[in-house]
Amino acid sequence: GQNIDQPTEMTATEGAIVQINCTYQTSGFNGLFWYQQHAGEAPTFLSYNVLDGLEEKGRFSSFLSRSKGYSYLLLKELQMKDSASYLCVALDSNYQLIWGAGTKLIIKP
Amino acid sequence: IAGITQAPTSQILAAGRRMTLRCTQDMRHNAMYWYRQDLGLGLRLIHYSNTAGTTGKGEVPDGYSVSRANTDDFPLTLASAVPSQTSVYFCASSEDGGRGETQYFGPGTRLLVL
Repeated sequence: GQNIDQPTEMTATEGAIVQINCTYQTSGFNGLFWYQQHAGEAPTFLSYNVLDGLEEKGRFSSFLSRSKGYSYLLLKELQMKDSASYLCVALDSNYQLIWGAGTKLIIKP
Repeated sequence: IAGITQAPTSQILAAGRRMTLRCTQDMRHNAMYWYRQDLGLGLRLIHYSNTAGTTGKGEVPDGYSVSRANTDDFPLTLASAVPSQTSVYFCASSEDGGRGETQYFGPGTRLLVL
């Protein structure tokens, strides 16, 4: 079956760096998304990786290793507004999105 | 620019009642989607539409129906609501449907079926 694994919850300190890991098992693979979802709000797009390597976008970076079925989202210089759930989403060979349950990130001052 | 709007914001519904959740987008996107989000689970696709006039079943379509009469609107109907349909429902759209596109989400409808 198809599956996304990511930690349920993580805690980090304001100003620090945090890495949220995601492993995936899918029928084929056509890329991996990260979405951010604040409590009570809709998911919003953060990043999309289809090739191996690191893509940086401001304070956020996303990494992909296709051979390992692994991705991570790196958040630098954490701010209180980064407290949210982070959803790892894989795109399978049929271009269907497989959504992870999300990692709730708690930022402490 | 509103993006995607959903109505109602929240609703309490008696079991057995019929309910239509509304979704409208003003981005002229061809593809639209309905998801449900339940605690501890990833988003699950209910139905989708790649273009006006066509619809398809997602992962959890039972008990739900959709229509796509035009580009902008994609209503979701619960013919006879059951408590297991208590959830948060998100409508989303993308330019042409899948293939690595960003999906844009509406604010969600919180539905409680008693």
